[in-house]
Amino acid sequence: QVQLQESGPGLVKPSETLSLTCTVSGGSISTYYWTWIRQPPGKGLEWIGHIYYIGTTSYNSSLKSRVTISVDTSKNQFSLRLSSVTAADTAEYYCARQATIFDAFDIWGQGTMVTVSS
Amino acid sequence: SYVLTQPPSVSVAPGQTARITCGGNNIGSKSVHWYQQKPGQAPVLVVYDDSDRPSGIPERFSGSNSGNTATLTISRVEAGDEADYYCQVWDSSSDSAVFGGGTQLTVL
Repeated sequence: QVQLQESGPGLVKPSETLSLTCTVSGGSISTYYWTWIRQPPGKGLEWIGHIYYIGTTSYNSSLKSRVTISVDTSKNQFSLRLSSVTAADTAEYYCARQATIFDAFDIWGQGTMVTVSS
Repeated sequence: SYVLTQPPSVSVAPGQTARITCGGNNIGSKSVHWYQQKPGQAPVLVVYDDSDRPSGIPERFSGSNSGNTATLTISRVEAGDEADYYCQVWDSSSDSAVFGGGTQLTVL
């Protein structure tokens, strides 16, 4: 079955860029929407944005100026870059899959904790 | 932007029925999805498209959606159902996914 696995640094300095990758295994990255969602400690879920396998993106308006999501179909991976991070960006970051934008996030990665601190 | 409102907490005794609401303007016109999140774990989809269940989710979990309120109903609640529950929709006006604030279900 399809599995998602996040990877990337667990510690990022303030003002630097957070970079994470989600690897899709057990299936193709094609024909789905691939999403990043985050959850600050003790708080709720926040949608960051998604990318369709052909490269079309949509971002949360509150993060849009700092977010870039990209896809590498040859590696079955998609990535998140969040620039100019602050302590407010400290969170568990999840990648997830959607069949269409109206569908549920049916498969999630296990999550990766990113702390922003000097 | 579209707002989904959930009660912060719901408490229920084992064997009883828990109802978790998700309020939003004309939410009945949208497809609502529900996720269960236990401590230290990733969210798991428990109801999609208002009332459908993914394979492996017990029939005790059901959903409904009408007017300005969607509801996740958990029948015959068990201790293992204790978790945070989140509702989610796609908001076409802002072209973004929206989550409710989450409801902590406590089994007494």
